[in-house]
Amino acid sequence: GESVGLHLPTLSVQEGDNSIINCAYSNSASDYFIWYKQESGKGPQFIIDIRSNMDKRQGQRVTVLLNKTVKHLSLQIAATQPGDSAVYFCAEIGGATNKLIFGTGTLLAVQP
Amino acid sequence: NAGVTQTPKFRILKIGQSMTLQCTQDMNHNYMYWYRQDPGMGLKLIYYSVGAGITDKGEVPNGYNVSRSTTEDFPLRLELAAPSQTSVYFCASSYPLGPPGTGELFFGEGSRLTVL
Repeated sequence: GESVGLHLPTLSVQEGDNSIINCAYSNSASDYFIWYKQESGKGPQFIIDIRSNMDKRQGQRVTVLLNKTVKHLSLQIAATQPGDSAVYFCAEIGGATNKLIFGTGTLLAVQP
Repeated sequence: NAGVTQTPKFRILKIGQSMTLQCTQDMNHNYMYWYRQDPGMGLKLIYYSVGAGITDKGEVPNGYNVSRSTTEDFPLRLELAAPSQTSVYFCASSYPLGPPGTGELFFGEGSRLTVL
């Protein structure tokens, strides 16, 4: 069945360093991928998305990379700040469905 | 705009009791969703709706029911509550997902439910 998973459940980085959060997906029919950020006690917030016909997309301090050959998605955060500390989820929309399926999540801990 | 509003924020239920989690949005979104999030875990889709009168099952629909009589409201009903339904429930809404739009869901603040 469909599944979206993450390689690292916890990532600890120093303030100012770059962070890379990885995600593997298994549904070849997925054509749209999204990264969400969830701070403690809050609902998830949209960060950035990417379509399956792209392999890279950049936002403000964030870059998403998509490798369809190995079904891998990553989120790069430049110059990580304490405010970036949160759980990050990748999510996918598969084929013709309207269902947004979330992965397990990675906790990003930024050390001062 | 208030966005997505969920009530109640906290609730304790006894096993076998029933209750309804309320969700309303004022963004005129056609799409609405219910997710549950167990501690330290990701979000699992319970039910979703693409418009008034239309609902469909997600990943974990058993033990829940929904209705969508208006664009604004999407209540989630728990029948015969069980300890396994202890979780944080998030309601969300959006425009149609994917290109040419985005995958942005707007989430409520969550409803924390404990079943004892």
